Amino acid sequence: DIQMTQSPSSLSASIGDRVTIACRASQGVRNFLAWFQQKPGKAPKSLIYAATSLQDGVPSRFAGSGSGTDFTLTISSLQPEDFATYYCQQYDNYPHTFGQGTRLEIK
Amino acid sequence: QVLLQESGPGLVKPSGTLSLTCAVSGASTSNRNWWIWVRQFPGKGLEWIGEIYYSARSNYNPSLKSRATISLDKSNNQFSLKLTSVTAADTAVYYCARFSANYHPDYWGQGLLVTVSS
Repeated sequence: DIQMTQSPSSLSASIGDRVTIACRASQGVRNFLAWFQQKPGKAPKSLIYAATSLQDGVPSRFAGSGSGTDFTLTISSLQPEDFATYYCQQYDNYPHTFGQGTRLEIK
Repeated sequence: QVLLQESGPGLVKPSGTLSLTCAVSGASTSNRNWWIWVRQFPGKGLEWIGEIYYSARSNYNPSLKSRATISLDKSNNQFSLKLTSVTAADTAVYYCARFSANYHPDYWGQGLLVTVSS
């Protein structure tokens, strides 16, 4: 199985900050990489697919980059509703696998 | 707007079979999409269980050792998961989700907590 490793595991930031979350795959996954946001007790929400494409309705302050083994999710200016846990997922190879999550907290 | 809603028992006995259904609205299971099951363990880790295509072709996570079966019910616009020989390790929130026709994730259900306990 492809291992997905996110860093950091947790992050404290303030409203208006720019934050970056990294996701590394144990082998190349081309651009078959998605990012999800999850709030406590809620279902994951798809943010980005194909490494860089924004899902419909997702604010443009979210951006994805990368290809192969190294990917990043950037939030350009944190808003109160952005404090949540973020996961990456590769869907290039079976079984699809997820990162362990990055918890984004208010500083 | 595509909506997915999981349903099924919230409590299953050890060695029994977990059976869940995902009702789809706002989209047709007869269209060229993939329908997915994912679970989230109490420690928050996520595991991909498997998927089924509109043609009924399916793929599964080998870690489940053939215990999982996903089926499609086009007449009722829903799909289902059966997981046999469950143990406490199968306790999780189960989510259904969709991959679009060009094979990208988009919609998720709200999730259903299933506890395996006697």
